[in-house]
Amino acid sequence: GENVEQHPSTLSVQEGDSAVIKCTYSDSASNYFPWYKQELGKGPQLIIDIRSNVGEKKDQRIAVTLNKTAKHFSLHITETQPEDSAVYFCAAPSNQAGTALIFGKGTTLSVSS
Amino acid sequence: KAGVTQTPRYLIKTRGQQVTLSCSPISGHRSVSWYQQTPGQGLQFLFEYFSETQRNKGNFPGRFSGRQFSNSRSEMNVSTLELGDSALYLCASTPWGGNEQFFGPGTRLTVL
Repeated sequence: GENVEQHPSTLSVQEGDSAVIKCTYSDSASNYFPWYKQELGKGPQLIIDIRSNVGEKKDQRIAVTLNKTAKHFSLHITETQPEDSAVYFCAAPSNQAGTALIFGKGTTLSVSS
Repeated sequence: KAGVTQTPRYLIKTRGQQVTLSCSPISGHRSVSWYQQTPGQGLQFLFEYFSETQRNKGNFPGRFSGRQFSNSRSEMNVSTLELGDSALYLCASTPWGGNEQFFGPGTRLTVL
């Protein structure tokens, strides 16, 4: 937190290709970095998260990497499928008390078959 | 386990009116957060409640308020609605001692 920048804003890939979305954050005290997927008409769904004591975490076709020195983290989706098409958001904790998150502006991923 | 539920799902109001939105967290979760989502500003934090107390508040005017009940259900209220309040209002619940926020489907508010 307090500022989270996300790139790119749109991403189009062919089915089977990989997709990478990158985020940077400003608060060096941040220690928890979730990624959300939002489909049309639905709320954001937590798909993976990483804590500052690890550099990489993987869950089947998705992985997240964290570089605390550079203050950036990335989402990697391999072997993309049409059902991966959605808006993806990265987030980092606010520096206030509690569990408030600061979100990136989102990346619209389109996977064409 | 049932997810976060929000009611109503859709709401149409006119300027100057007030509105109350409701959120039921996942069973056992005691923290409830509210966010506003608009195409221009994205997802913005409104406030968080834990054990019936507001623990954190975002940068929104005093027209936006909330509360939490003893069963962890939460409501948010917006008074004197403005056109710019049209948005998707999302509620998220967090398990005790955790960071993860689990979102509901949202309430789509349209102000005419």
